[in-house]
Amino acid sequence: LAKTTQPISMDSYEGQEVNITCSHNNIATNDYITWYQQFPSQGPRFIIQGYKTKVTNEVASLFIPADRKSSTLSLPRVSLSDTAVYYCLVGDLGDYGQNFVFGPGTRLSVLP
Amino acid sequence: NAGVMQNPRHLVRRRGQEARLRCSPMKGHSHVYWYRQLPEEGLKFMVYLQKENIIDESGMPKERFSAEFPKEGPSILRIQQVVRGDSAAYFCASSPPPGGVGYTFGSGTRLTVV
Repeated sequence: LAKTTQPISMDSYEGQEVNITCSHNNIATNDYITWYQQFPSQGPRFIIQGYKTKVTNEVASLFIPADRKSSTLSLPRVSLSDTAVYYCLVGDLGDYGQNFVFGPGTRLSVLP
Repeated sequence: NAGVMQNPRHLVRRRGQEARLRCSPMKGHSHVYWYRQLPEEGLKFMVYLQKENIIDESGMPKERFSAEFPKEGPSILRIQQVVRGDSAAYFCASSPPPGGVGYTFGSGTRLTVV
């Protein structure tokens, strides 16, 4: 299972764009990159998933360079409610039973 | 986290008692994962189960912990003779068939051992 490295914490202000970068130098050919968001006292919530280039949904964008050794989660115009821990995970979606390894994540604090 | 149902939401047990945590996966999902999260820490994988089958229990403590996912009914994580160090949030996730998008987590059971 590919190991990931993220910043432990980040601060931002309301309305700003936030970019959280995750390193996964030993990502395998079949691995996808998935980001989760977790609020206090709640289970992680799926945000976005991608394999290469760029993926965008109504919540975020995910940028993946050609070498796929890193990825960047982009949150446009954050609000106070985006304060949470964000986890980056890599794994093979075709591998049934993948027990994803969660790192400590990135604790994002959005300030007024 | 609609779809994956965990109960109870909060559970208080005295040292030495048994704790039983339940998880019903999303409709159509037949694979369940249990994770434990200590305060201010990330999620730690415990066990992965299919119906009537334990696939990977490499994250389960060797003693006092067990899990099952019967043919009918929810998956159960059982902790016998609980100790204060078992106090944590326990999350269950279910996964779609291969190629599906992401795991879905439940809201968790917060176990407090007093």
